[in-house]
Amino acid sequence: AQSVTQLGSHVSVSEGALVLLRCNYSSSVPPYLFWYVQYPNQGLQLLLKYTSAATLVKGINGFEAEFKKSETSFHLTKPSAHMSDAAEYFCAVRPQAGANNLFFGTGTRLTVIP
Amino acid sequence: GAGVSQTPSNKVTEKGKYVELRCDPISGHTALYWYRQSLGQGPEFLIYFQGTGAADDSGLPNDRFFAVRPEGSVSTLKIQRTERGDSAVYLCASSSSGSANEKLFFGSGTQLSVL
Repeated sequence: AQSVTQLGSHVSVSEGALVLLRCNYSSSVPPYLFWYVQYPNQGLQLLLKYTSAATLVKGINGFEAEFKKSETSFHLTKPSAHMSDAAEYFCAVRPQAGANNLFFGTGTRLTVIP
Repeated sequence: GAGVSQTPSNKVTEKGKYVELRCDPISGHTALYWYRQSLGQGPEFLIYFQGTGAADDSGLPNDRFFAVRPEGSVSTLKIQRTERGDSAVYLCASSSSGSANEKLFFGSGTQLSVL
């Protein structure tokens, strides 16, 4: 069964500091992996996705994530946090075949302190 | 339209009542998904449509929940005999073809409150 675990339901960083949001997946075969962001009162938006082309994936707004098969991880990073990054971030997994939906983690709320 | 539209944005109902939630996907998208998001949780899959047919309804919690997409565009999620535990944000998403590596476009959701 597919699943993702997001460590830390809340993360606080200072403006300008490194952002690191953790995601580990459970799958016998490397799946497709996604990070979505949910700003207040808005729908979920795709930040980036891993589809087996490259292990380091760059997304929008300066975010990137690295797929590490040995660690079954897909952590999201950004070198320098901005106030506008405050939002809820969801890691999601979808098998390459056989399932018709994304399985989401429980989310990490990022707070940026000025 | 420019994005996925969900109506109403908020729905308050009484326990035992029937509700309908509407989703208008991006024009031309054949794949449509319904998710439910409870407070403090990630979105939970309910049902997936490919065109007019429900290709996967394995996430529907019980037979009080039903969804249709009769013309392959607009979809309606129907909940009978609502219960307080049904209170959640119901999200709709669409994608171009339903391929596993595709980006999903989400609506802003319908906040359902069952009193």
